[in-house]
Amino acid sequence: GQNIDQPTEMTATEGAIVQINCTYQTSGFNGLFWYQQHAGEAPTFLSYNVLDGLEEKGRFSSFLSRSKGYSYLLLKELQMKDSASYLCATPPMGGNTPLVFGKGTRLSVIA
Amino acid sequence: DAEITQSPRHKITETGRQVTLACHQTWNHNNMFWYRQDLGHGLRLIHYSYGVQDTNKGEVSDGYSVSRSNTEDLPLTLESAASSQTSVYFCASSDPSSGGARDTQYFGPGTRLTVL
Repeated sequence: GQNIDQPTEMTATEGAIVQINCTYQTSGFNGLFWYQQHAGEAPTFLSYNVLDGLEEKGRFSSFLSRSKGYSYLLLKELQMKDSASYLCATPPMGGNTPLVFGKGTRLSVIA
Repeated sequence: DAEITQSPRHKITETGRQVTLACHQTWNHNNMFWYRQDLGHGLRLIHYSYGVQDTNKGEVSDGYSVSRSNTEDLPLTLESAASSQTSVYFCASSDPSSGGARDTQYFGPGTRLTVL
């Protein structure tokens, strides 16, 4: 089975740091994905973690703990354009199986 | 540049009509997917295909069908449209042979469907 949980909404201030958490339960494991989706647009790939630890990519970093079924997306130096939904996803059965997405976290960046 | 396109981008139809949404990708990806996205539910998988002549049901497949006659296209058909099928539909593709993040899915721009 599969269960992915993320907070529904978050608000943060421009220039600040925000951490978006994701917990998952899967029968197998083949990576944890983060996507960004601006309102009215398609999801776009942000990051992929398959090993434990932190992966940094510019202002965005993603962390994974496989033993805890836990990931987070860290956004630094927030900008207004970072206001979007952030989707956590994983193929619950491992291998070449379709991704299952969490419901997404809507982040609002305020001045 | 390679891309994934969907058409139409917006569609209004009536209950009971058959509707087909097109999805075309030029990445030569074997895997293609259809999702619907509704408030409070996130992205939900409708159907998917791992190659030509292969189709599989997803979480919310009732009332939908797909066919895969070539690598580039995966049209989604609503056999008899219902108001409950009003949604935004996203097509996606991925390349399982690419290694690394092999399930990375790349999404089309979406089709907003309204069933009256």
